[in-house]
Formats: sequence, structure tokens, C-alpha cells
Amino acid sequence: AQSVTQLGSHVSVSEGALVLLRCNYSSSVPPYLFWYVQYPNQGLQLLLKYTSAATLVKGINGFEAEFKKSETSFHLTKPSAHMSDAAEYFCAVSRTGANSKLTFGKGITLSVRP
Amino acid sequence: KAGVTQTPRYLIKTRGQQVTLSCSPISGHRSVSWYQQTPGQGLQFLFEYFSETQRNKGNFPGRFSGRQFSNSRSEMNVSTLELGDSALYLCASSLGQAQSTNYGYTFGSGTRLTVV
Repeated sequence: AQSVTQLGSHVSVSEGALVLLRCNYSSSVPPYLFWYVQYPNQGLQLLLKYTSAATLVKGINGFEAEFKKSETSFHLTKPSAHMSDAAEYFCAVSRTGANSKLTFGKGITLSVRP
Repeated sequence: KAGVTQTPRYLIKTRGQQVTLSCSPISGHRSVSWYQQTPGQGLQFLFEYFSETQRNKGNFPGRFSGRQFSNSRSEMNVSTLELGDSALYLCASSLGQAQSTNYGYTFGSGTRLTVV
């Protein structure tokens, strides 16, 4: 079975500060890992994905994440927060193969202070 | 190209009624998955359809069902609605082949169902 843990439900940063959203996974097989963002009253937008290629993954809007197998982590970072980054962020894990579903973490709400 | 389209965007139903939600995937995508999002349970997988066949199912009661048509469009049906079925229902499409997870899933904007 796979699972994802996102510690904390809310993170607040100042505009221009580093954004760090934590994600730890549990998987019995090599995982695929994803970060999605959700703005109010909208669906999920893919930020980036890890699919066993490079361990440092760059995504959209300046976000990146590093896959660390030894720590079973896939933390999301952005060097400088913008007001427009305020949203809910979900980490998800999937196994390989055709019968793969996404298992999501509980999500983290990011607030950006002016 | 057009994204994943879900209709309707908002829906209000009464307990005991049934409801059908629709999802049109990205052109060329053959896999459609459905997720339920609630404040308490978060995002939970309902089921996945590929080439008109259900090939993966989550832990939901039989009141939740779906189907996929030959053009890959999918519908989800919930019968005998309960208050707890109030949620945002999200549809996601992917290529659906064995390597589909390499490409990720594209989500629609969802259908907000309110059961009163």
C-alpha cells in the first residue's frame, strides 16, 4: 500500500521568502510522485512530477522538488514566494503500471503575507 | 487543446435522489479517473475507466458507479444520495497506457455537489 504524509495543514510565509512544503511517502515499490496545486473553486493543476529520471525535478511557476529515497521525501520548494502562490498544495504518490491511481496527502494551505 | 471538461459545475440535490455527473477527457486520452474531495476525508479515489472498462476501483459503496463511452467520455452516477455525499467530484484524464503515469493526470475543474 502507498501513502503520503504532509506534515501540518497550513504554512504562512512572507512575500519573497523561501517556500518549503514537506511530503513524505511510503511505497513498497518505486513510486511516481506528484505535486498538485488547487486554487479556490478550481480543480488540481500539476506542478511537477518525479518518474524515476532526475531526482531534482523542476516544475511550473518556479517550483522544484527533490526526490530523496533515503529519506522517503519529496519536498516542494520555491526560492521566493509570490502572492499568487497562495493556494492549497497536494503531494500524491502512484505506483507504476497501468493500474495506477493517485493517493493524495491531506494537503497544505499556503498563505503569503505582503 | 481543450482540457478536461466536467458538467455541471454546481449541483444541488435532495437526499434520496440520484445524480449523474459528466466528464469529457482531453482528446486522445483513453483513461478517466474520478476522485471525491471533502474537507474531512480529502481526495479519495473512486474508480478508473479505460477503453470502456473499469480497471480500478476505490473503497466506495455500490451507490457510486460509472461508465465510459466509446469516445472516452465518462459519467459517474450516485444513487440514493446521502448528506455525506456532498463534495467536489473531480475527473482526471490520462493517456491510459502502461506508461500513463509518466505523463501525469490532467484534472477538470470539478462538479460541486450539495445534498440537502
